[in-house]
Amino acid sequence: GALVYQYPRRTICKSGTSMRMECQAVGFQATSVAWYRQSPQKTFELIALSTVNSAIKYEQNFTQEKFPISHPNLSFSSMTVLNAYLEDRGLYLCGARESAETLYFGSGTRLTVL
Amino acid sequence: GDSVTQTEGPVTVSESESLIINCTYSATSIAYPNLFWYVRYPGEGLQLLLKVITAGQKGSSRGFEATYNKETTSFHLQKASVQESDSAVYYCALGEASGSFNKLTFGAGTRLAVCP
Repeated sequence: GALVYQYPRRTICKSGTSMRMECQAVGFQATSVAWYRQSPQKTFELIALSTVNSAIKYEQNFTQEKFPISHPNLSFSSMTVLNAYLEDRGLYLCGARESAETLYFGSGTRLTVL
Repeated sequence: GDSVTQTEGPVTVSESESLIINCTYSATSIAYPNLFWYVRYPGEGLQLLLKVITAGQKGSSRGFEATYNKETTSFHLQKASVQESDSAVYYCALGEASGSFNKLTFGAGTRLAVCP
């Protein structure tokens, strides 16, 4: 079956440092990957959409300079949170698309910033 | 912009009782949105519970049902008899039609607690 592995599950970083999270599609080819964030007391909001061989599209309030994404092949994507501060804490989810309608999510990376 | 409003939680029901979690949507940028219910169990990621891509159709999975009502712009989630294992957070979402990408607009989530 189709699975999405996301790691690490949890991470703690000091304010001003950076952390990288990874997303791997297993059992299918992920032609596009979406990264979402759920901040405390909020719902999931889209950070960016990444499609192989196309430019990564960032949503308003999110930038490549802050959340650089790498999507080198059909099974792997990574995103870094640069210079993390308190407002960056939350649950980060990657979703990989297998078909036009089916989006599979990883279990998430929970970021705590001290 | 697009938005999704759902029942504010937490919702607490007893095992074997019926459940309804309301969801209404506003799709200003999408002519024919796809509608989804996702569920997040403790410690896990989002799982797709059910989806409906055509207005008027009903989706069902694991005893849950939801009907895509374009007239009332609603997609309420129902289950006739809940189990303790249904305790989770449920998210209603809308997305662009097939051929587009992965942008989903989520509701705030409804935490469901089922008491034995």
